[in-house]
Amino acid sequence: NAGVTQTPKFQVLKTGQSMTLQCAQDMNHNSMYWYRQDPGMGLRLIYYSASEGTTDKGEVPNGYNVSRLNKREFSLRLESAAPSQTSVYFCASSDMTGDGTDTQYFGPGTRLTVL
Amino acid sequence: DQQVKQNSPSLSVQEGRISILNCDYTNSMFDYFLWYKKYPAEGPTFLISISSIKDKNEDGRFTVFLNKSAKHLSLHIVPSQPGDSAVYFCAASVWGGSQGNLIFGKGTKLSVKP
Repeated sequence: NAGVTQTPKFQVLKTGQSMTLQCAQDMNHNSMYWYRQDPGMGLRLIYYSASEGTTDKGEVPNGYNVSRLNKREFSLRLESAAPSQTSVYFCASSDMTGDGTDTQYFGPGTRLTVL
Repeated sequence: DQQVKQNSPSLSVQEGRISILNCDYTNSMFDYFLWYKKYPAEGPTFLISISSIKDKNEDGRFTVFLNKSAKHLSLHIVPSQPGDSAVYFCAASVWGGSQGNLIFGKGTKLSVKP
């Protein structure tokens, strides 16, 4: 059971380049999330997918797009990278339990630098 | 404006003593709270949670206390161990609410000295 996996672990881009961050989970969770973490900040939600086939904006969606490819995979795309998108990106997944609680499980992160 | 606040960026504790990490929230709709632990270069890992119908939840060395009237929760680690050195994030959500509304604090870096 790998849990939540993310690729790549590290990436350096030039301003204006595009890339896709990949995320997969093997816990059969319905919901998946993309967060970014900046120095001295908590995690901020970029986009989430409550279930396969649906996606919704979080707190900081500008400059990003997402695709929920299937139940296991949720990708994050930067169409035209900017230095302000330099951050550590975390993918997470969760499933609503019978009592309504929703614990999210995180991947190891992708450290992205945009020059 | 921050809905979840962790006002202490760092905390240093001696091994074997108690560590107390604090968290305040402003949104009275929050009724489910979680603590995550994060080591450098790793993703956050779930530690413990509490719903607003309780005022205490315990799991081994970790206990979370919730004071709803003060909109305050705290995480107690007893006894503290060097392996507990990490950044601890408090998070809050509305129980059974819409997906994606887990709000995180900025974190407190705990250092446990041998």
